[in-house]
Amino acid sequence: QVQLVQSGAEVKKPGASVKVSCKTSGYTFSNYYVHWVRQAPGQGLEWMGFINPNDGRTTYAQRFQGSLTVTRDMSTTTVYMELTGLSADDTAVYYCAKATRFLQYFETWGKGTTVTVSS
Amino acid sequence: EMVLTQSPGTLSLSPGERATLSCRASQSVGNNYLAWYQQKPGQAPRLLIYGISSRATDIPDRFSGSGSGTEFTLTISRLETEDFAVYYCQQYGTAPTTFGGGTKVEIK
Repeated sequence: QVQLVQSGAEVKKPGASVKVSCKTSGYTFSNYYVHWVRQAPGQGLEWMGFINPNDGRTTYAQRFQGSLTVTRDMSTTTVYMELTGLSADDTAVYYCAKATRFLQYFETWGKGTTVTVSS
Repeated sequence: EMVLTQSPGTLSLSPGERATLSCRASQSVGNNYLAWYQQKPGQAPRLLIYGISSRATDIPDRFSGSGSGTEFTLTISRLETEDFAVYYCQQYGTAPTTFGGGTKVEIK
């Protein structure tokens, strides 16, 4: 079955970077975009960006331009999300989510990775 | 970007009652590309509805979606105890994709 397994919780200091992984399995990796969505404590869902694993092309939300990098490793069918210049406002649960073949709604989600930014 | 406004913020109902959740878009949703998700505490969101009214795999038929243009509705015909959760709408017809702020359905 389709699975997205994310890396464990992280605690970072302000100004640092974090890199979260999303190991995928159970489907043809190159055929489906993988997105990142975050959720601050007690808040709603915020879309961050996505990668086309087939060619590595990425699209990011405007507010994350310059701070977000999404990459993929075809050999391990893993997607990575790196966020730089962390502040307390980046404290959130970060989810990876698999889109459908042609449309960008999310059939399968990872369980989430908690990133805490604190001095 | 397209703004989705969900109402009410909180819905207090009893098991067996009907729940009606609203999602209003700031502009017409392209190609009827609107989805609904359910999220329980400590869990990832779960896809319920896509394309306004198509139920995702294994979603019971007490969940239904409707609407067009800028006004959309998620209806839960008879609430079961496991349905008490937060619900989000998402539009994926116009980039960037956006989510509504959520409606919490709580036990009265």
